[in-house]
Amino acid sequence: EVQLVESGGGLVQPGRSLKLSCAASGFTFSNYGMHWIRQAPTKGLEWVASISPSGGSTYYRDSVKGRFTISRDNAKSTLYLQMDSLRSEDTATYYCATEVGDYWGQGVMVTVSS
Amino acid sequence: DVLMTQTPVSLPVSLGGQVSISCRSSQSLVHNNGNTYLSWYIQKPSQSPQLLIYKVSNRFSGISDRFSGSGSGTDFTLKISRVEPDDLGVYYCGQGTQYPYTFGAGTKLELK
Repeated sequence: EVQLVESGGGLVQPGRSLKLSCAASGFTFSNYGMHWIRQAPTKGLEWVASISPSGGSTYYRDSVKGRFTISRDNAKSTLYLQMDSLRSEDTATYYCATEVGDYWGQGVMVTVSS
Repeated sequence: DVLMTQTPVSLPVSLGGQVSISCRSSQSLVHNNGNTYLSWYIQKPSQSPQLLIYKVSNRFSGISDRFSGSGSGTDFTLKISRVEPDDLGVYYCGQGTQYPYTFGAGTKLELK
């Protein structure tokens, strides 16, 4: 059974950092690209970043470019999102999802507030 | 960025009925490789989104044949027949043809 389990969320002050993790199991993690997608409270879905199976290629939405870093450890079957210089508009539930969007984690809440 | 316009915003339905949701993109979603990366998702209350349809018309594993996707280029439709209580929620279309990936604003399927 495919499982994606996010962790690392919480309440953080503007300008501070947070690192999300997504532990994958039930499939060959190293064969698939991965995404981070977020959803602000009561809002729709917003793609954040993607990474290729090897980790050699990464892609970001403009609003997080230079602040967020997506990475992966294929030996640990884990996806990461390092979030620096956080802003209030980054407040959302963050989901990790597989390449085709066929599997999503349960989501982790990130709240940026003073 | 590719703008995804979903209509309607709200869709009242009777159980057993049939509904259609429209999704239009501001640019063609045909990728250089010939595939069209248009997907449909449902998000039930307090749950993560779930994939229903990928590449326009392919049902994901375990998805009922009551769900069907169609369309091409910039114009796509999701049809749901014989609506059941478990079908209620917010439906999103999403494109994975070009970065940044984008989603429609959602259509809330609710009981009349």
